[in-house]
Amino acid sequence: SQELEQSPQSLIVQEGKNLTINCTSSKTLYGLYWYKQKYGEGLIFLMMLQKGGEEKSHEKITAKLDEKKQQSSLHITASQPSHAGIYLCGADPSNAGGTSYGKLTFGQGTILTVHP
Amino acid sequence: NAGVMQNPRHLVRRRGQEARLRCSPMKGHSHVYWYRQLPEEGLKFMVYLQKENIIDESGMPKERFSAEFPKEGPSILRIQQVVRGDSAAYFCASSPIRIRQDGELFFGEGSRLTVL
Repeated sequence: SQELEQSPQSLIVQEGKNLTINCTSSKTLYGLYWYKQKYGEGLIFLMMLQKGGEEKSHEKITAKLDEKKQQSSLHITASQPSHAGIYLCGADPSNAGGTSYGKLTFGQGTILTVHP
Repeated sequence: NAGVMQNPRHLVRRRGQEARLRCSPMKGHSHVYWYRQLPEEGLKFMVYLQKENIIDESGMPKERFSAEFPKEGPSILRIQQVVRGDSAAYFCASSPIRIRQDGELFFGEGSRLTVL
């Protein structure tokens, strides 16, 4: 089965600083999802990456998928307290360019704290 | 993700009792997924249902757990004779289509089960 490892497990930064969270797979990644979760709440979809070398951005968050390295990174520029939460990467092991459904394998999560 | 409704948000049960968790997918969605997030563990897939059909239950514990998604009404995750190890957050997600190469999973806010 596919396993996803996230690093770091937790991260504390000052407001305004940049940061990167990594997600590494034991198998080749054909589809990678990033979600944000606040304590006691549900998951908020951030981005989905499918192609090797693909990069997407939304506001101050950029995600990249490096298929050769079996790794994805999530980069936040000029962090704000609103970015605080748990970031989860998830992969659909069946999404090898074909049909897929919502059976995702998730990493353990990265807890982000942003001090004002 | 505001459209996926889960209830109750919090549920307390004593060992041996039954827990029923309900999930109403977003309007127009006929695919529902249940996930479990145990304390200190990641989010794990449990079961995938379409209306009146269980498509994939590979993540469901073999005993005491069952799920259904009737033609009318919400999807229900049922846990019989709960034990303390069942204490967790249970998330429901829905999607509009099976092929999601450009789609996303919509998650609910979760139901938090505490077993005393």
